[in-house]
Amino acid sequence: DQQVKQNSPSLSVQEGRISILNCDYTNSMFDYFLWYKKYPAEGPTFLISISSIKDKNEDGRFTVFLNKSAKHLSLHIVPSQPGDSAVYFCAATLVGGSEKLVFGKGTKLTVNP
Amino acid sequence: GAGVSQSPSNKVTEKGKDVELRCDPISGHTALYWYRQSLGQGLEFLIYFQGNSAPDKSGLPSDRFSAERTGGSVSTLTIQRTQQEDSAVYLCASKASGGRRQYFGPGTRLTVT
Repeated sequence: DQQVKQNSPSLSVQEGRISILNCDYTNSMFDYFLWYKKYPAEGPTFLISISSIKDKNEDGRFTVFLNKSAKHLSLHIVPSQPGDSAVYFCAATLVGGSEKLVFGKGTKLTVNP
Repeated sequence: GAGVSQSPSNKVTEKGKDVELRCDPISGHTALYWYRQSLGQGLEFLIYFQGNSAPDKSGLPSDRFSAERTGGSVSTLTIQRTQQEDSAVYLCASKASGGRRQYFGPGTRLTVT
């Protein structure tokens, strides 16, 4: 059973517009959420994270929103740039034990010039 | 080096052969993880090492998979009698004590023919 879901395999936006990537989770014990960006033939690169005690975290052009009641988080990129084109993975973890990351299957973002 | 390194970057092997994949984590990071990404899938947890504690092997898909971490640093993932379904990108990540963010290496792309 997939605990972290990214229901959109792909997303295409115009340069300068907003990109919104969505992620849903089922395990209410998750207490920390992360977004990673992955280019082809490279490892995932950390982008932004949020603790379950917050509902928003912002870092430059990137903002993550967390709605715990809906078990939903989203990543907003404003303004989108062609260099943002990559696969974005949502991941969740819970404190204690291995703190392994549970990943969604990713959303491929294409930002068109 | 500043980041997580992995070798080889690519490995092609014949079905039934054994392979060893190496990971060199960020210096000082106490936690080390192995994940794999099969085609079209998200990253799947395999195994976790933390200091001198017993590893969490709960993600290993079969007893053909094993891993060790020597001296609290370098780790080797071994796959015995490889099968075609083992073809994937194998990613290593490390994490500092008390941190929640995992830093990934570039991965090893394994192809079993």
